[in-house]
Amino acid sequence: GIQVEQSPPDLILQEGANSTLRCNFSDSVNNLQWFHQNPWGQLINLFYIPSGTKQNGRLSATTVATERYSLLYISSSQTTDSGVYFCAVSTGTASKLTFGTGTRLQVTL
Amino acid sequence: GAVVSQHPSRVICKSGTSVKIECRSLDFQATTMFWYRQFPKQSLMLMATSNEGSKATYEQGVEKDKFLINHASLTLSTLTVTSAHPEDSSFYICSAREIDRGLGDTQYFGPGTRLTVL
Repeated sequence: GIQVEQSPPDLILQEGANSTLRCNFSDSVNNLQWFHQNPWGQLINLFYIPSGTKQNGRLSATTVATERYSLLYISSSQTTDSGVYFCAVSTGTASKLTFGTGTRLQVTL
Repeated sequence: GAVVSQHPSRVICKSGTSVKIECRSLDFQATTMFWYRQFPKQSLMLMATSNEGSKATYEQGVEKDKFLINHASLTLSTLTVTSAHPEDSSFYICSAREIDRGLGDTQYFGPGTRLTVL
């Protein structure tokens, strides 16, 4: 099956700093989503981005499908950004998502 | 945005009992729902795909007789963990597939159910 690797696995930032999270996948995809899992376990949809670039407030994402990677940018980080960030992809017609390994982000004051 | 609820949020049960978890899409119809489990500090692993009106499709290694899935309506799927044992303790998360909002093929996730089997 498809492999999805995220980097870095852990990240500690001071409030106000910027960061880039990376998601590499091993095969062509027709769906890619970014999620933030808050400390209570809730997964929050950030982006549906199988290709191209999108922005939503302090967050933006870019997927280069031909090179099999996606990037999530967080600018001016806040303590509420803490949690785990997952990318998830699907291939074919089944719509089943394969989740990446995750990046655990901690934003400190 | 699309909202998915799960009930209960937390359950503690004795070994050998069965536990039912409900997943509902509150403001949209979902012909397809998914069930995942997540162990501490790990990623989500897909257990099964639940299709309204038909049998669920289980991922390799998931016991279909232990994890019973029923998708009786366009807004409700249930997961029953039968004869639960301590190794079944985990965080169970459902998602619902939504493709009608012009945002593409997107899954929305419930808040999860933390199961502890004593």
